[in-house]
Amino acid sequence: AQKITQTQPGMFVQEKEAVTLDCTYDTSESNYYLFWYKQPPSRQMILVIRQEAYKQQNATENRFSVNFQKAAKSFSLKISDSQLGDTAMYFCARYTGTYKYIFGTGTRLKVLA
Amino acid sequence: DAMVIQNPRYQVTQFGKPVTLSCSQTLNHNVMYWYQQKSSQAPKLLFHYYDKDFNNEADTPDNFQSRRPNTSFCFLDIRSPGLGDAAMYLCATSRALTGQLTDTQYFGPGTRLTVL
Repeated sequence: AQKITQTQPGMFVQEKEAVTLDCTYDTSESNYYLFWYKQPPSRQMILVIRQEAYKQQNATENRFSVNFQKAAKSFSLKISDSQLGDTAMYFCARYTGTYKYIFGTGTRLKVLA
Repeated sequence: DAMVIQNPRYQVTQFGKPVTLSCSQTLNHNVMYWYQQKSSQAPKLLFHYYDKDFNNEADTPDNFQSRRPNTSFCFLDIRSPGLGDAAMYLCATSRALTGQLTDTQYFGPGTRLTVL
């Protein structure tokens, strides 16, 4: 079955430090999209970053970058220079086709002042 | 600003009393989704519409229905809510473009449903 695994249910990071959130996934497809979404407390889920599998270059968005290892089916998110506003639940997700997405169980990140 | 709006943000209903949750979008996206998210869990897709085409997930209970009267609006009807249906319900949209694999999903703020 298609599955997304996030093995870190919760993490802490000191403000201004970097943190990496892990994600692994199952697929037999060669081309697909991967996403990291952020869900702040009591606020809506928003896209952080996305990666197209056929692109070898890792995606970056300001302080957010991914380490995409296609052969290992690994898609980790690195947050550099963590800010208090980064405190949120982070979900890894993959497009599975026919307009559907599956999500991991999430990692709750707390940034400490 | 273009966005996905959900009403109400909080809904309390009684066991067995039908309830309707509302979602509207100003993005003019052709795909709309309903997810159920229980505490500290991943969002679980209930169903989605591609334009007027309804696509139900195989494990979505019959108790959950949906309507999409036009591009902008989509409703989630829970015919007889049980205690296990208490959750956050998320609406999302995406733009499906011909020839493209997918597009980003845009989420509403969610409706938190409490069943008494």
